[in-house]
Formats: sequence, C-alpha cells, structure tokens
Amino acid sequence: DVKVTQSSRYLVKRTGEKVFLECVQDMDHENMFWYRQDPGLGLRLIYFSYDVKMKEKGDIPEGYSVSREKKERFSLILESASTNQTSMYLCASRARDRTYEQYFGPGTRLTVT
Amino acid sequence: AQRVTQPEKLLSVFKGAPVELKCNYSYSGSPELFWYVQYSRQRLQLLLRHISRESIKGFTADLNKGETSFHLKKPFAQEEDSAMYYCALSGGYNKLIFGAGTRLAVHP
Repeated sequence: DVKVTQSSRYLVKRTGEKVFLECVQDMDHENMFWYRQDPGLGLRLIYFSYDVKMKEKGDIPEGYSVSREKKERFSLILESASTNQTSMYLCASRARDRTYEQYFGPGTRLTVT
Repeated sequence: AQRVTQPEKLLSVFKGAPVELKCNYSYSGSPELFWYVQYSRQRLQLLLRHISRESIKGFTADLNKGETSFHLKKPFAQEEDSAMYYCALSGGYNKLIFGAGTRLAVHP
C-alpha cells in the first residue's frame, strides 16, 4: 500500500522559531510536493522536487525553503516562523510517469503563536 | 492564467437527492482535470480524472471544453459522500492547480 508519512500531526511553535516539517514516502517516487491548505483558498503549492537535490518554487515560496537529500525524504523549513504561516501543511509524492495521481500524507497542522 | 474555480464553499443536500459540484477552469492548452476528495480525518485522495471517463462511488464528471467546466455529479447522494471535494487542473509538468474546495454535507 502506498505510504506518505509526515513527522507530526500537530505542531505548536513560537514566532521566530525555525521549524522543520518532514515527509517520507516509501514508493520510490521521483516527485515530491509541499502544499499548504487553508479554508477558502484550497491547496497552494509551496515547493516541489523532481529529483534528489533538485527543487523548484511553487506559487507561494516566500518564507519557506526545502531540502531533499534522499529520494524518500522531503523537508519543508520555515526559517523564522510567523503567525501567518499557521496552516495545515500537506506533503505529496508522485511517480514521474504518472502525472495525474499525487499521493498525500495525513498533514501537519502547524500553529505559530 | 491557469485557474480553477469552485463557486460553492458548501453544498448541503438530503440523502437520495442529486448532487452537482461545480468546477470551472481557465487554461490555454489541452487540460487534464481531476477531482480529489478528503473524508473526515482521512488524507486527500484522487477520486477520478476526466481521461478515464469512469464512475467512482457513483460519481461522474464530464469535461466540457466549450464551457470550460468539469462538474462532479451523482444522481443519489449518500451520507458517506459527505466530504471536502477539490477540483484540480494539471498545469503542465509536475504541477496540480487546485480549486478552493467545496464541502458536501449530506443529511439523513
């Protein structure tokens, strides 16, 4: 069974803290994605990676960075967390030859106080 | 610009009633469109895609290029259909563009 896991379901951080969100997939997928999910806005792409050490900005990359040192792991980094980054963060992965189906993790609800 | 619009934030129906979740898109090329669903406390998952022209859990969706729409339909709603539904557009290599989502609530 396809599996995408995220390191935390709930996370509470203070303004200015550095935050790491981890995502691991066991499907040997080349492509991985980070979205944030907000009511009324849907899912917005933050960053994606199409290979190890490769990354591309999505639609809302400001305030975020990513790291992909191994194929199965894709990390989202908030260098200095702010209250407007309070959100649900979803990780997804996809095989290179299957452009349509992304497999999602359970999400991390991050609250920045 | 590539965009997906879901005009309804909430659609509330009674069990057995027909359901239509609206989706309109803006895309200059030949689009690939999908519906994703998120049930309560579950992860987001693919429901169906227009290329396959299949019915999943009784849902169908037809791509209408003239009206740039991809509405999701089901003739008789069930309580277990209650969920958040997202329409998505494949906007070129790697990217999916999602709409804002519509919450479907099916009442007994």
